[in-house]
Amino acid sequence: DTAVSQTPKYLVTQMGNDKSIKCEQNLGHDTMYWYKQDSKKFLKIMFSYNNKELIINETVPNRFSPKSPDKAHLNLHINSLELGDSAVYFCASSGRRNTEAFFGQGTRLTVV
Amino acid sequence: TQLLEQSPQFLSIQEGENLTVYCNSSSVFSSLQWYRQEPGEGPVLLVTVVTGGEVKKLKRLTFQFGDARKDSSLHITAAQPGDTGLYLCAGYYNQGGKLIFGQGTELSVKP
Repeated sequence: DTAVSQTPKYLVTQMGNDKSIKCEQNLGHDTMYWYKQDSKKFLKIMFSYNNKELIINETVPNRFSPKSPDKAHLNLHINSLELGDSAVYFCASSGRRNTEAFFGQGTRLTVV
Repeated sequence: TQLLEQSPQFLSIQEGENLTVYCNSSSVFSSLQWYRQEPGEGPVLLVTVVTGGEVKKLKRLTFQFGDARKDSSLHITAAQPGDTGLYLCAGYYNQGGKLIFGQGTELSVKP
């Protein structure tokens, strides 16, 4: 069983389109994150949710809207995609504070 | 804004050499984690250090947390080609409830 699974793994789309990435964790964790990894491999935190509540929004454009229907799921919807949105997006979850974050395999988004 | 400066960003060495990767910040973190990421995969945790001055060993890898909990280092002894990968430090910032990452170190160990 995959602990943190995100779909799709690859996403190629045109500028201006709207797309969603889904994430599910079966670890029973309370906290979930979205990170963006750019071409230089830097992992930048975008959002953090704790028990379905938004905790952190790191000045991400409001074209990005996370949604957490329950604490096992954190989906990311992106409106009006731009070329600069091309990156690998990672979902992660963690249990108690200071504990390990488990990452999904990433979604490589390419905007053309 | 909490920032983690990780150095060096790239490191290419021969098998058998030793190396050290550094992670520094002006912020105090409640814990510091080190991850390794393989191509096409998400990062996987190597170790967590919590107490200032703490040293942890994982086979040929030695991790240290600074006394003031603002910096950390990863030392690899007698590097092997299998150690090749992207190494990431990450600090857990308690007040913000977030895990932030350094820029990463891409290590290449040549046989």
